[in-house]
Amino acid sequence: LAKTTQPISMDSYEGQEVNITCSHNNIATNDYITWYQQFPSQGPRFIIQGYKTKVTNEVASLFIPADRKSSTLSLPRVSLSDTAVYYCLVGDTASGYALNFGKGTSLLVTP
Amino acid sequence: GAVVSQHPSRVICKSGTSVKIECRSLDFQATTMFWYRQFPKKSLMLMATSNEGSKATYEQGVEKDKFLINHASLTLSTLTVTSAHPEDSSFYICSAQTGTRSYNEQFFGPGTRLTVL
Repeated sequence: LAKTTQPISMDSYEGQEVNITCSHNNIATNDYITWYQQFPSQGPRFIIQGYKTKVTNEVASLFIPADRKSSTLSLPRVSLSDTAVYYCLVGDTASGYALNFGKGTSLLVTP
Repeated sequence: GAVVSQHPSRVICKSGTSVKIECRSLDFQATTMFWYRQFPKKSLMLMATSNEGSKATYEQGVEKDKFLINHASLTLSTLTVTSAHPEDSSFYICSAQTGTRSYNEQFFGPGTRLTVL
C-alpha cells in the first residue's frame, strides 16, 4: 500500500476555500486516491475518489497531477461543520483492499 | 443507501468480561468487512479483514484469540473482545465493502466506544 503524507493540521476561517495536499510518491498504476472525513466519535465518511486529473462532486473537488504523486482535496467555502479530520488513502479499489489510514489532517474552521 | 450500523454504540464493562460488537450492512450485501480500532487523537488502525464464510485475516500484532471475528452472513460480522482489560478500551469501527468491481467503496459504521473498568 502506498504511504501517504499530509499536513498534521490546518486552520481556516468560515467561507474560505481549503486545499489539503497529500503526497503519495510510490502510488501504483492500479491505485485510486480516496479521501475520507471523520468527526469525533464517528466512523469515517467517504468524500471523493479519483484516479487522475480532476474529480468534482457536491461537496469537494480532487485535483490529481499527471504524475499522480500527490493530490489535493479542495473544500469550497468551508463552514464550521467542516471541522474534522481528513484522511487521504491510496489503494487498488478493484481488488478489495483494506484501507490504510495515515495520520490525517485535522481541519479547524473558525468564525 | 449503503448504511452500516453497529451495536452497541457504547459499552462499559468490568475487566475480565467479554464484549460482543455487531456490525450490519443494512441495505446491501457486504462481501468483505473490516474491523478497525482507534485510540483518542489517533488514526484508525486496521485489526482484521473478514470475508463471509471464511476465517478472518488479522493484522500483525492483533491477537486472534482475543479479538474473535465471525462473519456468518453477507450482512453481519461480529467482533468479540474476550477477557477485556482496560488497555482494550478504544473506539471500534467496522466497515463494509460492496464488492462491485468498478467501485469498491467502503462504508463505515458509526463506531462502538468500549470502556473497560
